[in-house]
Amino acid sequence: AQKITQTQPGMFVQEKEAVTLDCTYDTSDPSYGLFWYKQPSSGEMIFLIYQGSYDQQNATEGRYSLNFQKARKSANLVISASQLGDSAMYFCAMRGASQGAQKLVFGQGTRLTINP
Amino acid sequence: NAGVTQTPKFRVLKTGQSMTLLCAQDMNHEYMYWYRQDPGMGLRLIHYSVGEGTTAKGEVPDGYNVSRLKKQNFLLGLESAAPSQTSVYFCASTDPNTGELFFGEGSRLTVL
Repeated sequence: AQKITQTQPGMFVQEKEAVTLDCTYDTSDPSYGLFWYKQPSSGEMIFLIYQGSYDQQNATEGRYSLNFQKARKSANLVISASQLGDSAMYFCAMRGASQGAQKLVFGQGTRLTINP
Repeated sequence: NAGVTQTPKFRVLKTGQSMTLLCAQDMNHEYMYWYRQDPGMGLRLIHYSVGEGTTAKGEVPDGYNVSRLKKQNFLLGLESAAPSQTSVYFCASTDPNTGELFFGEGSRLTVL
């Protein structure tokens, strides 16, 4: 079975600081993908970044980077130079090859609050 | 440039009433999904479809039915709503080339 664990229900960070949101996963699939989504207070789900299990380098998208440590089964999201607009709920998700139908399994989420 | 569209956006039901949530996507995606989001539990998969005329159960299918009569539409039905079905419901579809999941804006359902 696939499982995603986000151990930080909430985080508070000062504006302009970097922030790391933790995500650990459990899977027996040799091939899998890891995703991060942002959900602002308006409710929509916004795709942020993707990491494939065979990717040699950590994924980056602008201020977002994914700290992928395969041996530790962790896929932490790093946001550099945080902004007030980064305040939102963040979800880590995984898709394993054995899941079929490209289904995603989500973690519980971390609510990030950026303080001015 | 609609992407994934869900209707209605908000609905209040009384226990025992029935309703249908409609999801429409204009990206020609084969795979479509219905998730529910509850506080502290993330998103959980209710049902999914891998193509027109097919449906399958996800993690939390009880109390829901689905239909995929047309490729672009995926309907989620509640035959007899219960307060435990109060939730935010998200429809999504997958781009087969990238595997990226595209979400609708969500539908907030309250069952009294």
